[in-house]
Amino acid sequence: QFVLTQSPSASASLGASVKLTCTLSSGHSFHPIAWHQQQPGKGPRFLMQINTDGRHTKGDGIPDRFSGSSSGSERFLIISSLQSEDEADYYCQTWGTDPWVFGGGTKLTVL
Amino acid sequence: EVQLVQSGAEVKKPGESLKISCKASGYNFTNYWIGWVRQMPGKGLEWMGIIYPGDSDTRYSPSFQGQVTMSAGQSISTAYLHWSNLRASDTAIYYCATAMGGPFNYWGQGTLVTVSS
Repeated sequence: QFVLTQSPSASASLGASVKLTCTLSSGHSFHPIAWHQQQPGKGPRFLMQINTDGRHTKGDGIPDRFSGSSSGSERFLIISSLQSEDEADYYCQTWGTDPWVFGGGTKLTVL
Repeated sequence: EVQLVQSGAEVKKPGESLKISCKASGYNFTNYWIGWVRQMPGKGLEWMGIIYPGDSDTRYSPSFQGQVTMSAGQSISTAYLHWSNLRASDTAIYYCATAMGGPFNYWGQGTLVTVSS
């Protein structure tokens, strides 16, 4: 069973950087993932997909402050120069697996 | 511009049936998977399943198999999610999303379904 594990919460100060982690379950470390952002009261928005080599492809209009990387079974979302509107829930997702899977989400608080 | 526009909020009673819709525009609807995601109040995203409008090939999450039916109308570029017997536990926001070459990369605005006696 493919499982994506995320920390429930994270926090960082306005203007700082933060690195969110999505860990793939054992035996699935060679799988790309996607990151989605869900701001309070809104629907999800696709941020990027991250390949196993760390290359990432961003969605339409996603600022350069958002980037991604990869290391082993971990996939990272890095947000630099944090702004208040970055306070949101962030979900990682697989595709092509059976079934597709979402991580439990990380609630990011901007202090 | 790719757009997914979902039908409006619904209030239903347990046991009733319901079909919600997701109208796509800005891309070739028949060529890409389109899926549905549930978000129960205060909870995370749950993948329900996907359908390929070109041939109606459908894949369901085991958690939702037999509970809902997905369909697609090619001529009107619209995907549907149908319940034949709603339960209070179906109360949630339902999102459609299209997967153009990989993960979900465009999302609908969501449809709130409330099931209450």
